[in-house]
Amino acid sequence: QVHLQESGPGLVKPSETLSLTCDVSGYSINTGSYWGWMRQPPGKGLEWIGSIHHLGTTYYNPSLQSRLTMSVDTSKNQFSLKLDSVTAADTATYYCATTPYTDSPWFGPWGQGTLVTVSS
Amino acid sequence: QSVVTQPPSASGTPGQRVNISCSGSSYNIGSNYVYWYRQLPGTAPKLLIYRNNQRPSGVPDRFSGSKSGTSASLAISGLRSEDEADYYCASWDDSLSGHVVFGGGTRLTVL
Repeated sequence: QVHLQESGPGLVKPSETLSLTCDVSGYSINTGSYWGWMRQPPGKGLEWIGSIHHLGTTYYNPSLQSRLTMSVDTSKNQFSLKLDSVTAADTATYYCATTPYTDSPWFGPWGQGTLVTVSS
Repeated sequence: QSVVTQPPSASGTPGQRVNISCSGSSYNIGSNYVYWYRQLPGTAPKLLIYRNNQRPSGVPDRFSGSKSGTSASLAISGLRSEDEADYYCASWDDSLSGHVVFGGGTRLTVL
């Protein structure tokens, strides 16, 4: 059974880079599938950040694309997210998930989520 | 604001049937599948309906999805107290090289 777990700093200063990692267990990233990130500001709705294939093909939210980098590390069976020049608007719970298709909002299972606060 | 809209709230009494709507455009719902998620307080969302009306294994048949044109709907019959949660619709949007769009979410209250 696939299990995903997000990790990274819970506090990031404005203008710095937010970096998160999603560790995957119970499934080899090398096997295939796509991997995605979503976020949810406190008390608000879900926002798709982007999706990545294990071979590196990426699909980004157009509103975040200029600040966003996603990558896969098959040797560690994990994938990562970097978001540059963060502001308070990037404060959210960040979720990683798996998806069978790149052009689909079919996500599951999800990680438990990690809260990232942007504040000085 | 999201390009896919949902009513912010809905309510019903135990045993009742409730419908949650999701309205989009020809770029998203009108030309792509609709998915529904349920998010219980303090937990990650969980897939409830995929490809408009398909239920993943383990989701009871009290939950059903439908789509017509640029709108979709989630129906919950035999409402239970544990159905109190936030519900989100989602679709692929073909504009701007393509991206996933989520509705703003509907908070369902069981009275």
